[in-house]
Amino acid sequence: GESVGLHLPTLSVQEGDNSIINCAYSNSASDYFIWYKQESGKGPQFIIDIRSNMDKRQGQRVTVLLNKTVKHLSLQIAATQPGDSAVYFCAGDSGGYQKVTFGTGTKLQVIP
Amino acid sequence: DAGVTQSPTHLIKTRGQQVTLRCSPKSGHDTVSWYQQALGQGPQFIFQYYEEEERQRGNFPDRFSGHQFPNYSSELNVNALLLGDSALYLCASSLTDWGWAQGQTEAFFGQGTRLTVV
Repeated sequence: GESVGLHLPTLSVQEGDNSIINCAYSNSASDYFIWYKQESGKGPQFIIDIRSNMDKRQGQRVTVLLNKTVKHLSLQIAATQPGDSAVYFCAGDSGGYQKVTFGTGTKLQVIP
Repeated sequence: DAGVTQSPTHLIKTRGQQVTLRCSPKSGHDTVSWYQQALGQGPQFIFQYYEEEERQRGNFPDRFSGHQFPNYSSELNVNALLLGDSALYLCASSLTDWGWAQGQTEAFFGQGTRLTVV
């Protein structure tokens, strides 16, 4: 099965700075990765995804990088805003889109 | 569009009891997955329903069962509740589209049901 983990439980950044959240995975067969944002009291919200045949994908203020050699992916948030404060999860899937394995999560705290 | 709705939002049960949680998927979605999220942890996949059948299952005991109805809504049942079953139970819906490379479209999560077993 898939096992994903996050490097830091908490990340504090200044408003306006860029944030980088890292994630490691163990299953080389994973072909699809997703980043979710979960605010307090809410369910996870899809941010961005990337397939294993890609190295980079960009969205609005977010970029996901995938390094298959070291089994690592990262989420970059540009110009971090207070509304970005949440717990971020990376999730990996090795064959069934929703049968994903989530990591523990990184709590992003934005300092005004 | 109301998105994914779950009921109830909060629930307190006694150890040994049984519980049923409900989920209505986002309009147009035909696939429902259930997750258990313990405090401070990431969601853990329980199972997925498509065409009223369990299609995939995670590492959860048979005490956890489910059902999907013709209107695509779903129920999660947990029997013989344990204290360790206390968690946030999340429902996610998506559309299974065999014409799409990954097979399923983006999943949308509900707000969850907070189950406390005492």
